Amino acid sequence: EPEVTQTPSHQVTQMGQEVILRCVPISNHLYFYWYRQILGQKVEFLVSFYNNEISEKSEIFDDQFSVERPDGSNFTLKIRSTKLEDSAMYFCASSESPRVLQPQHFGDGTRLSIL
Amino acid sequence: DQQVKQNSPSLSVQEGRISILNCDYTNSMFDYFLWYKKYPAEGPTFLISISSIKDKNEDGRFTVFLNKSAKHLSLHIVPSQPGDSAVYFCAAKNTNAGKSTFGDGTTLTVKP
Repeated sequence: EPEVTQTPSHQVTQMGQEVILRCVPISNHLYFYWYRQILGQKVEFLVSFYNNEISEKSEIFDDQFSVERPDGSNFTLKIRSTKLEDSAMYFCASSESPRVLQPQHFGDGTRLSIL
Repeated sequence: DQQVKQNSPSLSVQEGRISILNCDYTNSMFDYFLWYKKYPAEGPTFLISISSIKDKNEDGRFTVFLNKSAKHLSLHIVPSQPGDSAVYFCAAKNTNAGKSTFGDGTTLTVKP
């Protein structure tokens, strides 16, 4: 069964450094998402991306965050200047279409630790 | 503003019995509801969903019930198995928007 893959599984970064989290969505999916889960808290929506542009973003997704689809297969989340509170599990997800009753399929996440 | 709530952080049941996980929502614009299962160190895995035009959807041992007037849904697992032990997230979305809004999760433990 096709799956969403995320790399790396664990990223340790010094505060203030830039970090890029990578995702390969399912190949025929058109809609991509990033969510995060701070330890012990709920899964929170960050951003959705369709047709090479952001469709929707949450208040968490401020100017420090950006997303990109640099080629036909990868989908990346960049945090420009990391803060301690950015430490979390970051999940990438994809779906065939947001306007059809289709679930989002999630990767196994990248654990981001900011020191 | 917590639009999706799972009021029970944990649930423990005996193997073979029914597990009932509950979820409440406040946003009447939600029209599609999903349950995800999550094991440690893995991402959420889609389990079952229901559209707001239905009140029940069944898939094997898993059944989701939706009560729109009460803005309440529940997931029934019958019979429960030890391998069902995981965190279960309720999620809701509006089909005109892509994002899902998640509840806090309920940790289910099925004892042999």
